[in-house]
Amino acid sequence: GAGVSQSPSNKVTEKGKDVELRCDPISGHTALYWYRQSLGQGLEFLIYFQGNSAPDKSGLPSDRFSAERTGGSVSTLTIQRTQQEDSAVYLCASSLGGQSSYEQYFGPGTRLTVT
Amino acid sequence: GENVEQHPSTLSVQEGDSAVIKCTYSDSASNYFPWYKQELGKGPQLIIDIRSNVGEKKDQRIAVTLNKTAKHFSLHITETQPEDSAVYFCAARPLLKLTFGTGTQLKVEL
Repeated sequence: GAGVSQSPSNKVTEKGKDVELRCDPISGHTALYWYRQSLGQGLEFLIYFQGNSAPDKSGLPSDRFSAERTGGSVSTLTIQRTQQEDSAVYLCASSLGGQSSYEQYFGPGTRLTVT
Repeated sequence: GENVEQHPSTLSVQEGDSAVIKCTYSDSASNYFPWYKQELGKGPQLIIDIRSNVGEKKDQRIAVTLNKTAKHFSLHITETQPEDSAVYFCAARPLLKLTFGTGTQLKVEL
């Protein structure tokens, strides 16, 4: 079946502009995660959604970052007033959800470049 | 919180040889340990995982071992092939979030 999809695949923006990144999880997956991967680095957790519960925002690096998930499916990560250090690959993953569901499946990512 | 360390950062092997990547974790509550393979320009792909009630798991040329007492787990790839060349990440899950290691760049040379 269809995997996790993300759009756009690449985004170039000017410093100070806002950007929106989109994630479509695997159908039926109730858990959704956002990660950031800087050049040559590991994956840094940003935010986690599980069903209708309040999201875990503990990984968001600043209040310029926010995310929402509408209807328990599609999610949008918004970065306001982008800075050059925001340049990275933003990865989305989904999972069946719940304590007994472990496997996370990743999308191809959005490469963000802030000039 | 959980802290995962991964070694080596780069690994070069000859085709047909074995490759071993090692990770340690800090949180004894971690109960799930996946390994991901990431090829250039793509998202990470889950290749194998192990849960804390198991000491070893094998899938064809790939195996993972877990030592809960020592808090370390390893990925073993046998009979390496050029298509195994990629970045490999380990991760640990104490609650609902994964904490990742910093990755190992594996290069399989002909």
